[in-house]
Amino acid sequence: GAGVSQSPSNKVTEKGKDVELRCDPISGHTALYWYRQSLGQGLEFLIYFQGNSAPDKSGLPSDRFSAERTGGSVSTLTIQRTQQEDSAVYLCASSLVGSPYEQYFGPGTRLTVT
Amino acid sequence: KNEVEQSPQNLTAQEGEFITINCSYSVGISALHWLQQHPGGGIVSLFMLSSGKKKHGRLIATINIQEKHSSLHITASHPRDSAVYICAAYTGNQFYFGTGTSLTVIP
Repeated sequence: GAGVSQSPSNKVTEKGKDVELRCDPISGHTALYWYRQSLGQGLEFLIYFQGNSAPDKSGLPSDRFSAERTGGSVSTLTIQRTQQEDSAVYLCASSLVGSPYEQYFGPGTRLTVT
Repeated sequence: KNEVEQSPQNLTAQEGEFITINCSYSVGISALHWLQQHPGGGIVSLFMLSSGKKKHGRLIATINIQEKHSSLHITASHPRDSAVYICAAYTGNQFYFGTGTSLTVIP
């Protein structure tokens, strides 16, 4: 079956613009995670959705970041007023239920803020 | 102080060698994950552990909850094992990641 997909694969935007990144999880997976990986840095947890429960937003780096998950499936990560330090690869993963179950990662969206 | 520490940071091995990567964590966990990130950037989940030991092919992962330590072992290493291996501690509502171990296996 299809894996986790993310779009766009690459996004170049000017500082100050808003961007939306999309994640399509594996069908039937109830848990969805967003991470980011800055150049040369480790992975950083951003936010986690489990079913219809309110997401845990504690990992979001600032109030310019928000995420939603519509209908318990597709998720969108929105970054408002982008800054150069937002440049990173944004990764999405999904699992059948919340961790500690195996996560399946998408290919990521590489965001470059100029 | 990082909540998750990995060692070594870099590792070069000859094909066939037995490899061990270590992970120590300071937070209370409900599970510990080992991830593999290939040079192209794709990430694959290798193991999820909450206790004991798991084996998949040539890969073995162990965890000692009392000592807050996990190890990833690769037996009979192969050049295709070359990747970054990442340890991730899940507390129940938050993930903490190690900085990764970059493994290069030389033919």
